[in-house]
Amino acid sequence: RKEVEQDPGPFNVPEGATVAFNCTYSNSASQSFFWYRQDCRKEPKLLMSVYSSGNEDGRFTAQLNRASQYISLLIRDSKLSDSATYLCVVKGNQGGKLIFGQGTELSVKP
Amino acid sequence: EPEVTQTPSHQVTQMGQEVILRCVPISNHLYFYWYRQILGQKVEFLVSFYNNEISEKSEIFDDQFSVERPDGSNFTLKIRSTKLEDSAMYFCASEEDRVYEQYFGPGTRLTVT
Repeated sequence: RKEVEQDPGPFNVPEGATVAFNCTYSNSASQSFFWYRQDCRKEPKLLMSVYSSGNEDGRFTAQLNRASQYISLLIRDSKLSDSATYLCVVKGNQGGKLIFGQGTELSVKP
Repeated sequence: EPEVTQTPSHQVTQMGQEVILRCVPISNHLYFYWYRQILGQKVEFLVSFYNNEISEKSEIFDDQFSVERPDGSNFTLKIRSTKLEDSAMYFCASEEDRVYEQYFGPGTRLTVT
């Protein structure tokens, strides 16, 4: 089983759509969870940390289910500028290194 | 806003040559990392560095690789004898504390010919 597994994508959606990304992780001892976005051939940029209680930042909502080892990201009212690859990222159980999923590509069309 | 910087942005080298990739982490950060991303693949951890020593390294980080913090600001990754398969984007990252988020530099695209 992959350490971090994401929907393969790509997702092609119209502007204004709501889109959800799913992610599972294999190590139940993992402590920290993040969503990063990556534009083509650029560095990963932190989108948001994911907390057990769930958290929201504007149009973005992240959820964590530790029992199912499942992380999600919901984007509401998607914009053209949301087009990117979304990376599900887990921090190792001893802290430190980040473990990345393969990424899910999102393309928002006018 | 403080940011991680990396130089050069693109490095072309011949197989067997040594390369040094440079990073300047965010100034109050204590933990430093190198990751790489081969084109079309996921980002992979190479090595972490804290208190002037390696704290963890991956299987990729073999004897051809080394890291150094030669002064109070720079953090370098050296590849002694480059191979074709070392061609990738190399990202440096830093974090203030292990429980916090990591911030990435813009990367160095290494092309080995």
